[in-house]
Amino acid sequence: EAGVAQSPRYKIIEKRQSVAFWCNPISGHATLYWYQQILGQGPKLLIQFQNNGVVDDSQLPKDRFSAERLKGVDSTLKIQPAKLEDSAVYLCASSRDSNYGYTFGSGTRLTVV
Amino acid sequence: KNEVEQSPQNLTAQEGEFITINCSYSVGISALHWLQQHPGGGIVSLFMLSSGKKKHGRLIATINIQEKHSSLHITASHPRDSAVYICAVFSTARNKLVFGAGTILRVKS
Repeated sequence: EAGVAQSPRYKIIEKRQSVAFWCNPISGHATLYWYQQILGQGPKLLIQFQNNGVVDDSQLPKDRFSAERLKGVDSTLKIQPAKLEDSAVYLCASSRDSNYGYTFGSGTRLTVV
Repeated sequence: KNEVEQSPQNLTAQEGEFITINCSYSVGISALHWLQQHPGGGIVSLFMLSSGKKKHGRLIATINIQEKHSSLHITASHPRDSAVYICAVFSTARNKLVFGAGTILRVKS
């Protein structure tokens, strides 16, 4: 089966600019996750979708971050405006449900300068 | 104290050596995952365990539910095994994955 696709792989932006990341999960996986991984740390969950509904967005900085999953398939994560501390790898993962294995994408490495 | 602790934080081994990475957790879990992350950032799922032991090629993962401890073993290590190995547990109380900080492994030829 095809893996979780993410784009872009790398992005460099200036602070206060906007950026968007895209994720295409494995077909049939109802649950989709966005994680933020700062260098030297484990991933931190930003938002979890079950189909196109939000299950958990408690750690999403909603003043600047937004995410949507239209039609319960692809998802986009947006940051507007970006701050220096947003520099991180943004990982997308999907699973059939939380009791099954997770499949992670290759991640988007964001550098805010 | 973090809910998931890994040791060691950094590990350098010579090619061919037997490697062990440890993971201890302090929360109730339904499953434990071992993940591999290469420098590019992408994560590969190696194992998902809820009891006992699993083996895949040169990799072996064990879990002791009573002691809240898991180990990842790599036999006959090779430079291509160099990566960050992350332990993650599915916390039943928080209903989500909780990640360790990772173990940076470097295997020298």
